[in-house]
Amino acid sequence: KAGVTQTPRYLIKTRGQQVTLSCSPISGHRSVSWYQQTPGQGLQFLFEYFSETQRNKGNFPGRFSGRQFSNSRSEMNVSTLELGDSALYLCASSEGSGLIYEQYFGPGTRLTVT
Amino acid sequence: DAKTTQPNSMESNEEEPVHLPCNHSTISGTDYIHWYRQLPSQGPEYVIHGLTSNVNNRMASLAIAEDRKSSTLILHRATLRDAAVYYCILRAPRVGTSYGKLTFGQGTILTVHP
Repeated sequence: KAGVTQTPRYLIKTRGQQVTLSCSPISGHRSVSWYQQTPGQGLQFLFEYFSETQRNKGNFPGRFSGRQFSNSRSEMNVSTLELGDSALYLCASSEGSGLIYEQYFGPGTRLTVT
Repeated sequence: DAKTTQPNSMESNEEEPVHLPCNHSTISGTDYIHWYRQLPSQGPEYVIHGLTSNVNNRMASLAIAEDRKSSTLILHRATLRDAAVYYCILRAPRVGTSYGKLTFGQGTILTVHP
């Protein structure tokens, strides 16, 4: 079974621009979660989608949004980019949405904002 | 979310057992204990999880104290590939807050010497 894939792997954007990141979960997985990883804050939960519905959201500003499609693929959008948005963005998929389900992470998208 | 405390770093020699401790003195009776690890330049990887009883899988063992205020991840024979940051995470079954969310701390950096 193919793992979680994320595109693009690397991205450079300018402050003020917007960006869309994509995540394809493992086949059959219906839950997709997004995380931001920075050296200062570590790994932080952004949001989770299950069956096209956002079920949980972390403490991030409204500039961060996402969606999930009927095939479980997910996209994350960041508008009006700030320098502090430079980070590794990780996507994780799981079969279900509850706490007993293990999450499988992709390799991440490295976003640099200049 | 209940907090976990892990040592910042630990070292081991190859082929020796490694015991990675985690303190979670404020754990509630229904919190699950999960362990993930993150190898260099990769997304986190699920290792093991448990509730009350000790657990074993092909990667590791999880020993949970009787009072559940601490747990230990055991790697029976460390290899160079086990060098990673290990995260001990509590997951609470509160509907809504638990959906798809892993709360990562700073973790333990494990160095394995040849």
